[in-house]
Amino acid sequence: EVQLVESGGGLVQPGGSLRLSCAASGFTFSSYPINWVRQAPGKGLEWVSYISLSGTTIYYTDSVNGRFTISRDPAKYSVYLQMNSLRAEDTAVYYCARGPGTGHYFDYWGQGTLVTVSS
Amino acid sequence: EIVLTQSPGTLSLSPGERATLSCRASQSVRSNSLVWYQQKPGQAPRLLIYGASSRATGIPDRFSGSGSGTDFTLTISRLEPEDFAVYYCQQYGGSPTFGQGTKVEIK
Repeated sequence: EVQLVESGGGLVQPGGSLRLSCAASGFTFSSYPINWVRQAPGKGLEWVSYISLSGTTIYYTDSVNGRFTISRDPAKYSVYLQMNSLRAEDTAVYYCARGPGTGHYFDYWGQGTLVTVSS
Repeated sequence: EIVLTQSPGTLSLSPGERATLSCRASQSVRSNSLVWYQQKPGQAPRLLIYGASSRATGIPDRFSGSGSGTDFTLTISRLEPEDFAVYYCQQYGGSPTFGQGTKVEIK
């Protein structure tokens, strides 16, 4: 069974940093790209970042480019999202989502971790 | 950026009725690169349809997708109690973007 489990969310002050983790299991990790998608409270979905199978191709949405860094560790079957210079508008549930490899959409999702940016 | 507009915002229907949800793109979506997700309160989204019309693994055949270019439709032929949820479309012809969602609620 494919499983994605996020961790690392919490309350952080504006300008602060947080590192999210996504632990994968139930599939061959190195065969699939992984994404982060977020959802602000009561709002819709927003794609945040993408990392390819090998980790050599990375994309970010414009609003986080230069502040967030995605990475993956094949040995730990994990993906990370380092978030710096956090703003109130980054407050959201952050989902780790697998890409099927045949298109930039998301076939399996974790349950999400809540990030709250507030003083 | 391709903007997706979903309509209606809310659909009030009874179990057993047919639901028709629309997703319109601001420009043509390359190769029908459009998917639909279902999201229930407190849960992650679930993939229903990819490539505009292909059902994802385990999705019942009462869910169907159609459309091309800029106009896409998700149809639920007969609503079951578990189908009342929010539905999002997403395009992947360019940098991925989502519609704002359609809530299907019990009338």
